Amino acid sequence: QTVVTQEPSFSVSPGGAVTLTCGLSSGSVSTNYYPSWYQQTPGQAPRTLIYSTNTRSSGVPDRFSGSILGNKAALTITGAQADDESDYYCVLYMNSGIWVFGGGTKLTVL
Amino acid sequence: EVQLVESGGGLIQPGGSLRLSCAASGFIVSSKYMSWVRQAPGKGLEWVSVIYGDGSTNYADSVKGRLTISRDNSKNTLCLQMNSLRAEDTAVYYCARMAGRGFDIWGQGTMVTVSS
Repeated sequence: QTVVTQEPSFSVSPGGAVTLTCGLSSGSVSTNYYPSWYQQTPGQAPRTLIYSTNTRSSGVPDRFSGSILGNKAALTITGAQADDESDYYCVLYMNSGIWVFGGGTKLTVL
Repeated sequence: EVQLVESGGGLIQPGGSLRLSCAASGFIVSSKYMSWVRQAPGKGLEWVSVIYGDGSTNYADSVKGRLTISRDNSKNTLCLQMNSLRAEDTAVYYCARMAGRGFDIWGQGTMVTVSS
């Protein structure tokens, strides 16, 4: 069974930059997996940040960017702000026609 | 304004059935891929099911044969028929519009609790 991997937690200083990654338990992530990224704060619905690797969703500031780094998908946040403190999820589209979410990364801004 | 509003959640006994609805505004449900995603209490997101524009569907293995996704085009609504419910189906259920094989618009979610 395919497992999508994410760092369980990460911290960043206000104004700093951080890169969160999204990998596979077996194999490499490519654009063919259409990686997308979501931000979620407790009690709220997810908010779409990035889809199709690097397309920002409407209204998302350009401080958020998506890419492929090595064998993983990546979400980079620059100029981190206090309200970036959230859970971040990636999801990959598998060629069997299903989507698999990663376990999420809890980002702390301090 | 593009919006999704879920309804139909509640408390149901194991083995029971429930039907969730997701009313869309600002776009036509049948013209987009649409999915259900769920989140168990304190856990991460889990994709559940998709319905494509041509009406074809797909499901996560964990729900195959028990949950059925469909559309009511006359009401511009996405539905999820949930049968043979189990405790592990307890979650907030979100409907989501899809774009670029990702999820671009989300509803606010509806809570389903399976417990005796």
